[in-house]
Amino acid sequence: GQQLNQSPQSMFIQEGEDVSMNCTSSSIFNTWLWYKQDPGEGPVLLIALYKAGELTSNGRLTAQFGITRKDSFLNISASIPSDVGIYFCAGEDFGNEKLTFGTGTRLTIIP
Amino acid sequence: GAVVSQHPSWVICKSGTSVKIECRSLDFQATTMFWYRQFPKQSLMLMATSNEGSKATYEQGVEKDKFLINHASLTLSTLTVTSAHPEDSSFYICSARTTGSYGYTFGSGTRLTVV
Repeated sequence: GQQLNQSPQSMFIQEGEDVSMNCTSSSIFNTWLWYKQDPGEGPVLLIALYKAGELTSNGRLTAQFGITRKDSFLNISASIPSDVGIYFCAGEDFGNEKLTFGTGTRLTIIP
Repeated sequence: GAVVSQHPSWVICKSGTSVKIECRSLDFQATTMFWYRQFPKQSLMLMATSNEGSKATYEQGVEKDKFLINHASLTLSTLTVTSAHPEDSSFYICSARTTGSYGYTFGSGTRLTVV
């Protein structure tokens, strides 16, 4: 099936650093979602974006819905150990009630 | 908030046997449920979408006779992996949503190992 391209594929950072990751698609989506998945668990929703150009924050997380509707980014400020995990973007078509997931970004914090 | 419970969290079965995985919405009515499969270090791939009381819609390449989905009530969907083989070993995750909401709530996943 179709997948969204996420970059970077993995990140190794030190605690306290800021993180930025993005997601691009060849198709237009009407909703962009960002999830975090811990090992052996299901994804947990971090931020939902519903309008092109929308910028939304959730604590230390900020995400934006690209103007072209084909991309989105997620920033994490002042990373902490519990930020470790895999981050997935997901897009939803209007009227096509299902999500297409990105390839994922694995975040590791170096001691 | 919306909670989806998935059971079992892990299962080991012998090759050739069938395994049933349950997905329950605990505090809302799930008009639509989704089943995903995730191989190690890969993304979630949608297998099928089920609406309560109707047949599931399978994604291209997913064998509907092998992965039986039943969505008999607004709070329960089941995925049965029939005649399981080692290549079916994977992490299976369900998701549920209710009509008119923007949210997709995910279960905690089921690790299936076929030996």
